[in-house]
Amino acid sequence: QQQVKQSPQSLIVQKGGISIINCAYENTAFDYFPWYQQFPGKGPALLIAIRPDVSEKKEGRFTISFNKSAKQFSLHIMDSQPGDSATYFCAATTQYNQGGKLIFGQGTELSVKP
Amino acid sequence: ETGVTQTPRHLVMGMTNKKSLKCEQHLGHNAMYWYKQSAKKPLELMFVYNFKEQTENNSVPSRFSPECPNSSHLFLHLHTLQPEDSALYLCASSQLAGGQGTQYFGPGTRLTVL
Repeated sequence: QQQVKQSPQSLIVQKGGISIINCAYENTAFDYFPWYQQFPGKGPALLIAIRPDVSEKKEGRFTISFNKSAKQFSLHIMDSQPGDSATYFCAATTQYNQGGKLIFGQGTELSVKP
Repeated sequence: ETGVTQTPRHLVMGMTNKKSLKCEQHLGHNAMYWYKQSAKKPLELMFVYNFKEQTENNSVPSRFSPECPNSSHLFLHLHTLQPEDSALYLCASSQLAGGQGTQYFGPGTRLTVL
């Protein structure tokens, strides 16, 4: 019940295309859903996050769509660029629980071709 | 990224060696974490320290021994490791432990156990 399932494992997109990564969770107590971006040789860095009281959050070319009833959320990267090539991790946690842990998905390796 | 530093960046050790990983955060945070990152797997939380006190040990084998002398420094002492312990070890920090606050990751130590 603590798992976050992420798909696809890898994704190849042409420059200018839309990249879509999906995540699903079981624990209805989760109330904070961040996405992390990791470049080779670097640690993960927070990209964008959403709380379940909204269905969508947009920051520049990055958008999170959230479906509370389906317990699913996804990351959309519009106008994908070669510089977006990285590994993306979704995560979930109970933000207001001091014992809450960040539960990560398995990661998606995105490659944007020029 | 300079907010959380890790040394060494790469480490090769034999199964009988003893070595230590070091993490330092320059962000004034109160919580620090050790994660293990293996290929094609979710990040695995190992240990959590909040105000220098260990608050989480995620069933980690005793051959991994953490130490947190102050809120800015975190060590992971390694002894008699196994080849399956080869992975990227990531340190992270946040203002508060648990689900609250963004976690900032270091670049990791790539560990190879021969």
